[in-house]
Amino acid sequence: GAVVSQHPSRVICKSGTSVKIECRSLDFQATTMFWYRQFPKQSLMLMATSNEGSKATYEQGVEKDKFLINHASLTLSTLTVTSAHPEDSSFYICSARDSGESGNSPLHFGNGTRLTVT
Amino acid sequence: AQSVTQLDSHVSVSEGTPVLLRCNYSSSYSPSLFWYVQHPNKGLQLLLKYTSAATLVKGINGFEAEFKKSETSFHLTKPSAHMSDAAEYFCVVMPYSSASKIIFGSGTRLSIRP
Repeated sequence: GAVVSQHPSRVICKSGTSVKIECRSLDFQATTMFWYRQFPKQSLMLMATSNEGSKATYEQGVEKDKFLINHASLTLSTLTVTSAHPEDSSFYICSARDSGESGNSPLHFGNGTRLTVT
Repeated sequence: AQSVTQLDSHVSVSEGTPVLLRCNYSSSYSPSLFWYVQHPNKGLQLLLKYTSAATLVKGINGFEAEFKKSETSFHLTKPSAHMSDAAEYFCVVMPYSSASKIIFGSGTRLSIRP
């Protein structure tokens, strides 16, 4: 089945530093990937839609300069949390859909990244 | 407008007994519906999907769901719960060809009693 690899699974960083999270589709191509944030005991909140070869589309309230997204190839999207602060601590999850599948095909999710900013 | 409601935030059952996780949806068009499971500190794993084919959908790990248009429901069931089923379950609605508009339910935490 389709596999999405997300790395790292867990990261601890100091306040003011930047952290990069990678999301790779291992056995399929994805022109579009999605980045979510999940707070404890809550559902997923869509942050942005990552588009291969073009700018990401951010949801309302999500700071573009804070959460930099790059979708450099059909199998890789990265999310960089810049100048991280403790309030950025959260669980971040990416997902992707196989570009070769029909329009109602499911999303495939990475295993998430637990970010802790100290 | 699309929406999805998971009627129970927490369900607790004994091992070996049936599981029922309820989901109701609202959609202007025929949506695609999915159930995902999330174990602690993990991503979401697809359990099953409904995409306008058979109304009774069988998924992995013995789960199944029935699409009932008249009731706008897509409840998830399993005949016999296993300890490993303890997790968070999300019902998801996706308008056709628009994954960016995917809507997640609030989730149902399933606990299994020995």
